[in-house]
Amino acid sequence: EDQVTQSPEALRLQEGESSSLNCSYTVSGLRGLFWYRQDPGKGPEFLFTLYSAGEEKEKERLKATLTKKESFLHITAPKPEDSATYLCAVLGQAGTALIFGKGTTLSVSS
Amino acid sequence: DAGVTQSPTHLIKTRGQQVTLRCSPKSGHDTVSWYQQALGQGPQFIFQYYEEEERQRGNFPDRFSGHQFPNYSSELNVNALLLGDSALYLCASRLAGGDNEQFFGPGTRLTVL
Repeated sequence: EDQVTQSPEALRLQEGESSSLNCSYTVSGLRGLFWYRQDPGKGPEFLFTLYSAGEEKEKERLKATLTKKESFLHITAPKPEDSATYLCAVLGQAGTALIFGKGTTLSVSS
Repeated sequence: DAGVTQSPTHLIKTRGQQVTLRCSPKSGHDTVSWYQQALGQGPQFIFQYYEEEERQRGNFPDRFSGHQFPNYSSELNVNALLLGDSALYLCASRLAGGDNEQFFGPGTRLTVL
């Protein structure tokens, strides 16, 4: 069964304090690993797609990396506006549905 | 470039009632998926529509049904509402045969009393 586990559940950082969020997954035939940002009461906002181990993508202060078993979302020098829940999802060979983790809620204080 | 739109934004219903939620996909997209997101949880897949047919279904009862129209817009219907159906309902669209990226709408917050 395809499964995604994200850690930690919650993370509090000071502005400028870099850190990483983890997404561990088990899937039959990975067709893509996706990172989304979700603000309270809003729909998820697409950030990155990673397709194969060793791949990296960057956008502003965010960098996503992928291995055969997990993905990391690195946040460099975060700002308060980076506060949100970050969701990880996988797409397996078996179907067309995204399988999501529960998310990591990031709070950045100034 | 129009993104995914959903209506209504919020909805309050009582147990046993029926509800219809609507979704218009991102411009150029032809495949629509519906997800349910309970508070503090990740989105859970309900079903996906392509070419006006249900392509795949998640672990949801038959009370949940859907439809896709020729213009690719979609509806989610839920019958005999239960308190546990209270959630944020998300619509996502993608282009069949393109990248697997799915883009989400703002969601409909359903509260069942």
